[in-house]
Amino acid sequence: AQSVSQHNHHVILSEAASLELGCNYSYGGTVNLFWYVQYPGQHLQLLLKYFSGDPLVKGIKGFEAEFIKSKFSFNLRKPSVQWSDTAEYFCAVILFSGGYNKLIFGAGTRLAVHP
Amino acid sequence: EPEVTQTPSHQVTQMGQEVILRCVPISNHLYFYWYRQILGQKVEFLVSFYNNEISEKSEIFDDQFSVERPDGSNFTLKIRSTKLEDSAMYFCASSGGRSVEKLFFGSGTQLSVL
Repeated sequence: AQSVSQHNHHVILSEAASLELGCNYSYGGTVNLFWYVQYPGQHLQLLLKYFSGDPLVKGIKGFEAEFIKSKFSFNLRKPSVQWSDTAEYFCAVILFSGGYNKLIFGAGTRLAVHP
Repeated sequence: EPEVTQTPSHQVTQMGQEVILRCVPISNHLYFYWYRQILGQKVEFLVSFYNNEISEKSEIFDDQFSVERPDGSNFTLKIRSTKLEDSAMYFCASSGGRSVEKLFFGSGTQLSVL
């Protein structure tokens, strides 16, 4: 079955530390990949997405992600985190079912950034 | 920026009661979705809705669940007889086209079944 795996459930960092959140998917076909962020008490927001082309994708707020097809991975990175990056981060993939497409989400990673 | 609005933000109900979760999608959107997230678990797809009918649903979306677009602006999710395991955050989403690449999510309704 198709799935999305996020390896870290909780990550704690100090401000200015570098961040990398892992995401792997199991799906052999064409994929569209996303990272969403959910700040405390707020709705899901799109951080970045990959459809095709340059596998290194830049998103909002200094985040980027790299699609490595051979590893079925789409890891999220940020060189220097801020306290305001404290949130939950979800990796997701579109499954093209031939009808109406839907997003499949990973379990999420809670990031806490300490000043 | 347009946004999807969900009410209430938190709903508490007794097991066996009916609940209706309300959503106002973005006004010119045509495709509507419900997702849910049980605490500590992943966000799961429930149902998609287009042209006044369900276009796809997951195995979670059993006979206890129904969706409706009663008045052209609201999009509701009804759970007929709630169970403890229905406790979750329910997210409404809408998009302008079939692809979910431009999917806009609401803030969610936290449903607590006691």
